[in-house]
Amino acid sequence: AQSVTQPDIHITVSEGASLELRCNYSYGATPYLFWYVQSPGQGLQLLLKYFSGDTLVQGIKGFEAEFKRSQSSFNLRKPSVHWSDAAEYFCAVANFKAAGNKLTFGGGTRVLVKP
Amino acid sequence: NAGVTQTPKFQVLKTGQSMTLQCAQDMNHNSMYWYRQDPGMGLRLIYYSASEGTTDKGEVPNGYNVSRLNKREFSLRLESAAPSQTSVYFCASILRGPGGTEAFFGQGTRLTVV
Repeated sequence: AQSVTQPDIHITVSEGASLELRCNYSYGATPYLFWYVQSPGQGLQLLLKYFSGDTLVQGIKGFEAEFKRSQSSFNLRKPSVHWSDAAEYFCAVANFKAAGNKLTFGGGTRVLVKP
Repeated sequence: NAGVTQTPKFQVLKTGQSMTLQCAQDMNHNSMYWYRQDPGMGLRLIYYSASEGTTDKGEVPNGYNVSRLNKREFSLRLESAAPSQTSVYFCASILRGPGGTEAFFGQGTRLTVV
């Protein structure tokens, strides 16, 4: 069964500093991978996704993520954090080849940005 | 283009009451999903519908039922609400096409069972 682990429940970062959020997945084949962001009281917004090809994926709001098959990881990065990046971030893996098209989420990482 | 619309946005129920959460998408997607979100646990899949006329259990289906009324609508029913069902519920639809795959989420329903 597919699963996603986000080891960091909370991360605090200073505004202007770099940010890296970790994501490890368990999946038998080449996964479809996603990062979503959720601001307080809001729904989920897609930041970026990986299906195939270049393992470094660019997303919205200056985020990027790198797929590393050997480490089963899909870490999210941003070079310089803005106060508006304070939110909760979710990594997800999808199996769209099997019946049901399941999308499985990690537990989330809450990011706090210090001025 | 409304995307995925969930109603209601907020609901308070007493233990044992029933209610239906409604979800509709106007993007002609085949697959629709219901998730619940609880602190520290991310989003957990309750039920999903891969296509019109089919539904399947996800990770946490107990206490819930679903109906895929047509391609647009996918409702979630709590027959006898319990405090453990206090959560935020999200509906999503997934587009799988030649350009890739993406999930679109509703704004959520915050349910409290007292």
